[in-house]
Amino acid sequence: QVQLQESGPGLVKPSETLSLTCGVSGGSMRGYWWSWVRQPPGKGLEWIAEIFPTGSSNYNPSLKSRVTILVDKSKNQFSLILNSVTAADTALYYCARHMTGVNTFDYWGQGALVTVSS
Amino acid sequence: QSALTQPASVSGSPGQSITISCTGISTDTPPYRDVSWFQQHPGKPPKLIIFDVTDRPSGVSYRFSGSKSGNTASLTISGLQAEDEADYYCSSYTSVSTPLYVFGTGTKVTVL
Repeated sequence: QVQLQESGPGLVKPSETLSLTCGVSGGSMRGYWWSWVRQPPGKGLEWIAEIFPTGSSNYNPSLKSRVTILVDKSKNQFSLILNSVTAADTALYYCARHMTGVNTFDYWGQGALVTVSS
Repeated sequence: QSALTQPASVSGSPGQSITISCTGISTDTPPYRDVSWFQQHPGKPPKLIIFDVTDRPSGVSYRFSGSKSGNTASLTISGLQAEDEADYYCSSYTSVSTPLYVFGTGTKVTVL
């Protein structure tokens, strides 16, 4: 059973950089796409970016100028970096695995709440 | 593509059937089946309950079913149970525009 676990600071100051890591256990990252999805408190879901173990990636254009997604196959983890954060970036950040051969997400982490505040 | 539109809330009594709509689905990526539905209980991550418009992952109750007509997808929950009270989100994928993945606005299902 694949398990995903987000980790990173829960509080980030405005204009600084948000950095989260998703650790993957119970399976290999090979052959799957991996994504970050966020959910502001009390609001809906927003897809941020995806990455394949080769390093190929895609981004949501609304965040592309501020986002970088990285993968470290040796550590079985991938990361999210979001620059120049504002209060609007306060959200629960989920990492998720893409379902094989299907354009959706079958495994999710429990989520990491990141608050942007001074 | 912008967020998909769902009703803010739907309610029903135990045993009844309810349907949640999701409009604005992209129709530019054949075979036009990249629609999923997620169930989210408070404090929990989303759970995949429908993929490829109509398919259920292993372990998901048969009471959940999906359909699609044109640019509108629907999720039907039959034999409503108390445990079905949750938020539900549709999701669509397109390969010809961005963002690649778009979610619906979410629907709160209340079991009366």
